[in-house]
Amino acid sequence: QQQVKQSPQSLIVQKGGISIINCAYENTAFDYFPWYQQFPGKGPALLIAIRPDVSEKKEGRFTISFNKSAKQFSLHIMDSQPGDSATYFCAAGKAAGNKLTFGGGTRVLVKP
Amino acid sequence: NAGVTQTPKFQVLKTGQSMTLQCAQDMNHNSMYWYRQDPGMGLRLIYYSASEGTTDKGEVPNGYNVSRLNKREFSLRLESAAPSQTSVYFCASSEEILRTDTQYFGPGTRLTVL
Repeated sequence: QQQVKQSPQSLIVQKGGISIINCAYENTAFDYFPWYQQFPGKGPALLIAIRPDVSEKKEGRFTISFNKSAKQFSLHIMDSQPGDSATYFCAAGKAAGNKLTFGGGTRVLVKP
Repeated sequence: NAGVTQTPKFQVLKTGQSMTLQCAQDMNHNSMYWYRQDPGMGLRLIYYSASEGTTDKGEVPNGYNVSRLNKREFSLRLESAAPSQTSVYFCASSEEILRTDTQYFGPGTRLTVL
């Protein structure tokens, strides 16, 4: 049973376009939502994270939007570049400990 | 500063064989984790260690054992490998067992069980 559902599984976008990845969660105890980026053959690395007390967080070309009432959050990659081609994982964590629950991942391919 | 290192990078086992995956971190982190990554399933936590001397089960612990050898090292053992354990295994570490602490991942071990 996956507590964090991520969509789409894969995404192709042209260079300069916007990539949008969506995640939905069920457990209202989750209160920390990071996104990890993984390049082929590498381990995941933290990209950006948000707490539910804000509705949006932006770091460079990457923006997280958070909708607490809908229990959804999304990652927007603006002006997508070929170097952004990677697999992206959303995750959720709750107050007790650092046991993150990960979504299934989205493979993003940015075509030049 | 190597971060999190894992050995081996690749391994092929036959059903019933045993092996130990090694993980070490040089960031002086207290907490360490073992995940498995399967297509469409994301990363699933197998075991974690909040601090030296403690270990706890994660989401999918069956068929695995762990040892927190010291603050730096956290190993994962498969006593009797099964084809269902074919996966990519990642070790990670964080400063503390807080959800807001960044987890730093190793490069992974790709395991195939025939």
